Amino acid sequence: QSALTQPASVSGSPGQSITISCTGTSSDVGGYNHVSWYQQHPGEAPKVMIYEVTRRPSGVSNRFSGSKSGNTASLTISGLQAEDEGDFYCISYTSSNTYVFGTGTKVTVL
Amino acid sequence: QVQVVESGGGVVQPGTSLRLSCAASGFSFSTYGMHWVRQAPGKGLEWVAVIWSDGNNKYYADSVKGRFTMSRDSSKNTLYLQMNSLRAEDTAIYYCARHSTGWSLDYWGQGTLVTVSS
Repeated sequence: QSALTQPASVSGSPGQSITISCTGTSSDVGGYNHVSWYQQHPGEAPKVMIYEVTRRPSGVSNRFSGSKSGNTASLTISGLQAEDEGDFYCISYTSSNTYVFGTGTKVTVL
Repeated sequence: QVQVVESGGGVVQPGTSLRLSCAASGFSFSTYGMHWVRQAPGKGLEWVAVIWSDGNNKYYADSVKGRFTMSRDSSKNTLYLQMNSLRAEDTAIYYCARHSTGWSLDYWGQGTLVTVSS
């Protein structure tokens, strides 16, 4: 159960777009569409931003979008805003009926 | 509204046991799977375990398998995590979260801190 691989940090200026990758294997990310993304602010619980690879929960800005190609899922934030800063994590269901999180990405708005 | 509230954390010595609870309200608890997720101080999220709505199907991360046991009591709308043979590396904030129909963890508690130290 190795953690999914994410870049440690991604940054962008206000208004720009950034993309966070989440790389796993055919036994997790590549094998299922049960990939979701979470934003966590310091001292708070995580909040789901994307589920089932591409779907956005009610109330989440349409600036957040998800995709997947092979064993890599991606989260794109367009029109970057200061409130988008935080830590982002992906999670995937696995062939062992378990789940595995990504290593986490710190997003900084310059 | 949907709410999950963890309790039971504290400071314990290595090798001892602790039971966490997660009280659920605002939804039909018996029909949802539930997860435990932990986060060591300054570290990332780690998935710990899931229990499905029937209460019989449970799966664990390798790091806790054989030491931690998840259970649920639908009459009390409460989820539990029995943690045995605790180690220093189990020190973390422990969150419970609801498994949504969209295969995400859609509602989270604020967490309870477990510190394993001699």
